[in-house]
Amino acid sequence: SQQGEEDPQALSIQEGENATMNCSYKTSINNLQWYRQNSGRGLVHLILIRSNEREKHSGRLRVTLDTSKKSSSLLITASRAADTASYFCANAGGTSYGKLTFGQGTILTVHP
Amino acid sequence: DTEVTQTPKHLVMGMTNKKSLKCEQHMGHRAMYWYKQKAKKPPELMFVYSYEKLSINESVPSRFSPECPNSSLLNLHLHALQPEDSALYLCASSTRAHAETQYFGPGTRLLVL
Repeated sequence: SQQGEEDPQALSIQEGENATMNCSYKTSINNLQWYRQNSGRGLVHLILIRSNEREKHSGRLRVTLDTSKKSSSLLITASRAADTASYFCANAGGTSYGKLTFGQGTILTVHP
Repeated sequence: DTEVTQTPKHLVMGMTNKKSLKCEQHMGHRAMYWYKQKAKKPPELMFVYSYEKLSINESVPSRFSPECPNSSLLNLHLHALQPEDSALYLCASSTRAHAETQYFGPGTRLLVL
């Protein structure tokens, strides 16, 4: 299966700084989702943006979607040490019901 | 109850053993999923069950056998696994297979010797 690319692969910042992660995908999408995974544990759904939306906010999270460029970005503002985790984008393709295709992920480290 | 539970948390098995992974949710979800995740890699979909019927099998080897006894339970039966099958196995559920948000369990970390 095709998987998207995320960049950067790893990001290291100080508490209070903003973190931006980018995701590209290859197929058409119904929606694009972002998940967080703390070290070796289950994934937690963060935010979903539909194919007809361009920007969405949830608390300290801001997601953008550019379907012409097949790309999305996740911005975490005023980061905290507790935000340290791996972040994955996942696209829900047009006809493959139930199938999420995950990007390679970005490992975010927030230093106190 | 808004969580997906998985047992066991850790499993070590030999290549000739038979074992099962279990997943349970009580959110009334009608779609359940198995994913495999290798270290430092994204989750890869293995199976999707929709209304207790297998709807997607991502060409998974037959040594992995899924089962959905009812709408709350999902099992993954393991037999004659290989060392390369060692990974984190994640279960997830959603209201239905067309739904957007998937809820993940904490995973079972499997080591095949």
